[in-house]
Amino acid sequence: DARVTQTPRHKVTEMGQEVTMRCQPILGHNTVFWYRQTMMQGLELLAYFRNRAPLDDSGMPKDRFSAEMPDATLATLKIQPSEPRDSAVYFCASGFRAGSTRYNEQFFGPGTRLTVL
Amino acid sequence: GNSVTQMEGPVTLSEEAFLTINCTYTATGYPSLFWYVQYPGEGLQLLLKATKADDKGSNKGFEATYRKETTSFHLEKGSVQVSDSAVYFCALSERETSGSRLTFGEGTQLTVNP
Repeated sequence: DARVTQTPRHKVTEMGQEVTMRCQPILGHNTVFWYRQTMMQGLELLAYFRNRAPLDDSGMPKDRFSAEMPDATLATLKIQPSEPRDSAVYFCASGFRAGSTRYNEQFFGPGTRLTVL
Repeated sequence: GNSVTQMEGPVTLSEEAFLTINCTYTATGYPSLFWYVQYPGEGLQLLLKATKADDKGSNKGFEATYRKETTSFHLEKGSVQVSDSAVYFCALSERETSGSRLTFGEGTQLTVNP
């Protein structure tokens, strides 16, 4: 049963600390998305990658957030330094995009619930 | 730009009631449309999809029809169950302009009481 996994599931940290969230996409998928979900803003796309290359990170605050794919089985989202306003649930999703296909389903992980005190 | 507007929640229904959650969209091109469902404590799951005008997506008793003339994709179910309690998100994707990114609506919380 292939699924996207995320670690940790919950993280509580203090303002100013570094936070790293990890995502393992479904094997064979070539596209990875990072979303943030809050009550106020709903679901926001932070960044996405195709074939490990960043395609768009315009939704991400560049001064403190960074996203990488060190290899095809791992995507990371890092916040340094963290702030209380970063408290949210962070979702990773993966999918497979091939050439002319009109639509590509995204499969979501269970999310990392981040609380910054 | 692209946007999705959903009917405001929360929606509370009794078991076996009829459900409609409205969704309208704005897109610069010709999008594919989706409904995702999020159960408590979980990530989003694709519920159904439609990729061209007049297509009807259906799954688990839920249906939605892609209406290009009214730019709508309303979600319906004839008889809801307690297990349908969740948050429902309407979304669109424009491959040509956004590389298959999803634009989500605000989400509608549905609670079904026994």
